[in-house]
Amino acid sequence: EIVLTQSPGTLSLSPGERATLSCRASQSVRGSQIAWYQQKPGQAPRLLVYGAFSRATGIPDRFTSSGSGTDFTLTISRLEPEDFALYYCQQYGSSPLLTFGGGTRVEIK
Amino acid sequence: QVTLKESGPALVKPTQTLTLTCTFSGFSLRTTGMRVGWIRQPPGKALEWLARIDWDDDRFYSTSLKTRLTISKDTSKNQVVLTMTNMDPVDTATYYCARYGSGSYDYFDYWGQGTLVTVSS
Repeated sequence: EIVLTQSPGTLSLSPGERATLSCRASQSVRGSQIAWYQQKPGQAPRLLVYGAFSRATGIPDRFTSSGSGTDFTLTISRLEPEDFALYYCQQYGSSPLLTFGGGTRVEIK
Repeated sequence: QVTLKESGPALVKPTQTLTLTCTFSGFSLRTTGMRVGWIRQPPGKALEWLARIDWDDDRFYSTSLKTRLTISKDTSKNQVVLTMTNMDPVDTATYYCARYGSGSYDYFDYWGQGTLVTVSS
C-alpha cells in the first residue's frame, strides 16, 4: 500500500499569501496519478486537481499542482477567504487500491 | 446534473451489520466505464477508501476490510449498496459514496453529502 504523508499538518497564512502544500508518497506513484481535494467543515471533499496537473471543472487557476515520483505539491497562489479549508491528496497509481494523505489544514493567521 | 446521496442507519450496535445505500442521478452504471465507490472518514480524521463497483459488475475492496465488505448495484434503481459486517466503535465515521472520474482514472469527481454512522451499544 502506498502511504501518503502530507505536510505541514497546519498552515497559518493570511489572505493574499501563497500556500504550498506537500504530499510525499512512500513509493513512486505511477503516472503521477495524484488528485487533490478541498474539504470544508460539514461538507464532502471537492475535487480540485487530478492527474497531478489538471484542474477540475470550475476550479480557479490560482490552484496549481506539480510533482512526480514521490513528491507532489499543491500551490494556491493568492489565498482567498474561501480557500481556508482542509486539503487532501489521493493517489490512484496503485488502482484499484486507493489511498489518501492525512490532510493539511490551511487556517487564517 | 450529477448527484449522489447516501442513506442508512445513523446508529448501529457493535457486531451488527451496516447497510448503506447510495442513490444517484445524472449518470448510469449501465454506461461503459462508469464506476462508483465508497469512502469513509472518522470524526476529525482522514479519508479512507473502502470499495468500488464497476459498470460490468467488477468489484474491488480495501485490503484491510475486504473480509467485512460487500458492494452491489441495482442499475434499475440507480443505487449502489455497501454492507459492512461485524461493526465496531472504530467504524464510527461519515460514509461517502462518490463517482469515479471519466476514463480509467480513479479519482472522484462527484461526492454525496455523506452519512454519519455511529457504532455504540
